[in-house]
Amino acid sequence: NAGVTQTPKFQVLKTGQSMTLQCAQDMNHNSMYWYRQDPGMGLRLIYYSASEGTTDKGEVPNGYNVSRLNKREFSLRLESAAPSQTSVYFCASSFYYNEQFFGPGTRLTVL
Amino acid sequence: EDQVTQSPEALRLQEGESSSLNCSYTVSGLRGLFWYRQDPGKGPEFLFTLYSAGEEKEKERLKATLTKKESFLHITAPKPEDSATYLCAVQAGGANNLFFGTGTRLTVIP
Repeated sequence: NAGVTQTPKFQVLKTGQSMTLQCAQDMNHNSMYWYRQDPGMGLRLIYYSASEGTTDKGEVPNGYNVSRLNKREFSLRLESAAPSQTSVYFCASSFYYNEQFFGPGTRLTVL
Repeated sequence: EDQVTQSPEALRLQEGESSSLNCSYTVSGLRGLFWYRQDPGKGPEFLFTLYSAGEEKEKERLKATLTKKESFLHITAPKPEDSATYLCAVQAGGANNLFFGTGTRLTVIP
């Protein structure tokens, strides 16, 4: 089992460019999450999907959109990147309310 | 407002020197408290879940405990490979998402 996989691992964007971060899990989990991690801020929830077909906003959703493509895949889209979105992005998955398992992260720099 | 505070921010220990990390929380309706380990450049790795006051869980040199206001991660006779950032998170109310603290960066010196 690969667990939670994320692509790409690194990305550099210019202000205003768009991109999609991909996440997939092979643990048959129903819930998936997107977090960002910034120095001194801890992990903050951007969006989550409690089950296939549903998505909800988290603590910091502005500037992002998500798609739960199927049970395995959950993507995060930046429509018009801003320097404030420079961060490390983590995808996670869980079986309902149980512990979450995290991917290796995507390091994004917006110039 | 839900709040999770971890202390200290950073901790340096000699190999074999036992210590504890603290996670204090203020939430409405705690459903679970989670401990994770994060190595530089990697995603958080799940360690423990605690659900009720008085509960304890152990794994190798780590032991997690929970009270109504805080959790402790006790590290007994640490080794250099225990060096990492340890994150605490709470799950509260009806949500299944986690609210994280900012972590304790542990360095174990040989």
